Amino acid sequence: QSVLTQPPSVSGAPGQRVTISCIGSSSNIGAGYDVNWYQQLPGTAPKLLIYANSNRPSGVPDRFSGSKSGTSASLAITGLQAEDEADYYCLSYDSSLSAVVFGGGTKLTVL
Amino acid sequence: QVQLQESGPGLVKPSQTLSLTCTVSGVSISSGSYYWNWIRQPAGKGPEWIGRVYTSGNPNYNPSFKSRVTISADTSNNQISLKLSSVAAADTAVYYCARENPPNYAFRAYDIWGQGTVVTVSS
Repeated sequence: QSVLTQPPSVSGAPGQRVTISCIGSSSNIGAGYDVNWYQQLPGTAPKLLIYANSNRPSGVPDRFSGSKSGTSASLAITGLQAEDEADYYCLSYDSSLSAVVFGGGTKLTVL
Repeated sequence: QVQLQESGPGLVKPSQTLSLTCTVSGVSISSGSYYWNWIRQPAGKGPEWIGRVYTSGNPNYNPSFKSRVTISADTSNNQISLKLSSVAAADTAVYYCARENPPNYAFRAYDIWGQGTVVTVSS
């Protein structure tokens, strides 16, 4: 069981908006540690999607956005495209574990 | 263009030591303020952070690996190494090396990854 809780799956039709939650606790997200998001296409390494809660690396479409509030964070994807079908992981640091922690991952299906 | 390439045995026997190398090209591992990480991912599961090294400091490890893990930097060959001792079947995974880029992004922002190498622990 992951320290950061994500829904196992979400789905949406092309063009729609979906959100993926990442629920933590007072020892990680709630302690002020940044959340980063990664996208993993099948058979490939994860790719940095969002860093420091809400920032996009160059080359990441502005359809992807991140936010953080309290002990949780969210990834929103607007204008869904077939190419967005992938696994998404949140990541932060946990002071109780003294370790970097990943969420359990969310599989996005574009209907 | 910065690239990372993992290499090492694809099959390791239980109780032995897993040894992997990450060869970095396009940037010197001793330049800048980058951290060099090892992350693994068992089939069908999420990634797990193993640890990281900064060429001018002590490595940081995930406590879940206790004293089994050693990560080091070889600046002369521009390589990062991972050693994981006393392996068991649960250590079977794809192992990635990744660059952490706090100057340009943030801590724990892994902006460049290797393609990963599959390691199977089996007799």
